[in-house]
Amino acid sequence: DAGVTQSPTHLIKTRGQHVTLRCSPISGHKSVSWYQQVLGQGPQFIFQYYEKEERGRGNFPDRFSARQFPNYSSELNVNALLLGDSALYLCASSSDYGADTQYFGPGTRLTVL
Amino acid sequence: GESVGLHLPTLSVQEGDNSIINCAYSNSASDYFIWYKQESGKGPQFIIDIRSNMDKRQGQRVTVLLNKTVKHLSLQIAATQPGDSAVYFCAEFAQNTGTASKLTFGTGTRLQVTL
Repeated sequence: DAGVTQSPTHLIKTRGQHVTLRCSPISGHKSVSWYQQVLGQGPQFIFQYYEKEERGRGNFPDRFSARQFPNYSSELNVNALLLGDSALYLCASSSDYGADTQYFGPGTRLTVL
Repeated sequence: GESVGLHLPTLSVQEGDNSIINCAYSNSASDYFIWYKQESGKGPQFIIDIRSNMDKRQGQRVTVLLNKTVKHLSLQIAATQPGDSAVYFCAEFAQNTGTASKLTFGTGTRLQVTL
């Protein structure tokens, strides 16, 4: 079975632009979480989605939004990009809401110039 | 490849020796803990987990110890191999009713295996 997949692998944007990142969870997993990992730090929680509903949000501005589709895949959107948004964006899937073990994808490396 | 953590604490271990990586967690309500391994350019990979009602759990070449009194976790890797070189993160999980079930990660430790 395929693991968590993310696209694109790398992305370069300029300040003020908008970006959409995509994630497909492990087959059968219904919950998707998004994390931001800045170089030199551990991943920081952004969102959790389950059954197309947002179940939680970390300490990120409203420029960050996400959604989950009926097939449980998910998109993370970031508007009005800032230099500080440059990071590795990780998607993790788990079998259910409240399921503790989360499996991570390879991430999307976003560079904002 | 791009480094995951340029300014992380580093542990250097000779091939064949045992490695011990330590982690302090913050939330006394956390009831589940996970160790992840992250290689350069990749996402975190699940290694081993432990629940708060346990103090030790063993896997293949890895052991996790949990001391709830001092809120401390450790990961022991036996007979360390070059392929173990990576950044290791501990993560804590607290089930919050009605809110997100999120992982909170520690700062990470870089393990360097020397030949």
